[in-house]
Amino acid sequence: SQQGEEDPQALSIQEGENATMNCSYKTSINNLQWYRQNSGRGLVHLILIRSNEREKHSGRLRVTLDTSKKSSSLLITASRAADTASYFCATDAGTGNQFYFGTGTSLTVIP
Amino acid sequence: KAGVTQTPRYLIKTRGQQVTLSCSPISGHRSVSWYQQTPGQGLQFLFEYFSETQRNKGNFPGRFSGRQFSNSRSEMNVSTLELGDSALYLCASSSGISDTQYFGPGTRLTVL
Repeated sequence: SQQGEEDPQALSIQEGENATMNCSYKTSINNLQWYRQNSGRGLVHLILIRSNEREKHSGRLRVTLDTSKKSSSLLITASRAADTASYFCATDAGTGNQFYFGTGTSLTVIP
Repeated sequence: KAGVTQTPRYLIKTRGQQVTLSCSPISGHRSVSWYQQTPGQGLQFLFEYFSETQRNKGNFPGRFSGRQFSNSRSEMNVSTLELGDSALYLCASSSGISDTQYFGPGTRLTVL
C-alpha cells in the first residue's frame, strides 16, 4: 500500500507550544498535502508542497519535504486551543487526483 | 466562491437497500473525487471523475459506483448496503491534476 503514516498518532500540548507531526510515504510523489479535520467533519486543506520544494510556510504553519527520505513534517507554531483536530498528510498516486491519506495525528491543545 | 456541497448530510438505511449521495463541486472545478472514511480503514479513495469520465478507481467492490454530469456535479451510488458501508463519505473537487483538493462536509451514512 502507498498509504502514508503519521507520527505520532496522538499529541497533547499546552497552548502556546509548538506541535510537530511527521508523515512518511512509500513511493515517488508529485506533491504532498496536509489537511485538518475537526471531529468527523470535512477536511480543510492546509498546505500543498510539490516534490521540487523543500519547505513551505503559511501563517503559523511550516511544512518540510524530504523526498530522499520520503517524509514530510508539519510544524504548528504558537498553538491555540482551536488547533485541536486530526491532521492528515495525503500523497498523490501519480495519476489524476487519486490521493493516499495517512492514518492521521490527533492533536489536542490544552488551554 | 461557494465551497463544495454534499447532500444529504446524514442518512440512515437498512441492509440491502441502496443509496445515492450527491456532490456539487466548486464552480469551475471539473474534477470530483470520492473518499470513504471509517475508524478502522481511515480515508480511502473510491473514484475520481473528470469531465463526465471516470479517471481513477480505488479498490472497492462494484456495488460502489458513480457518475458525473455535464455541470460537474457528481453522484455516487451504493447498492445492496452492508453494515460495513457505514462511514463518512467525502467528496472533493479540484481544478487540475495533482492539485489542491477542496473537501465538502461529508455525508454520514449509517447502515442498520
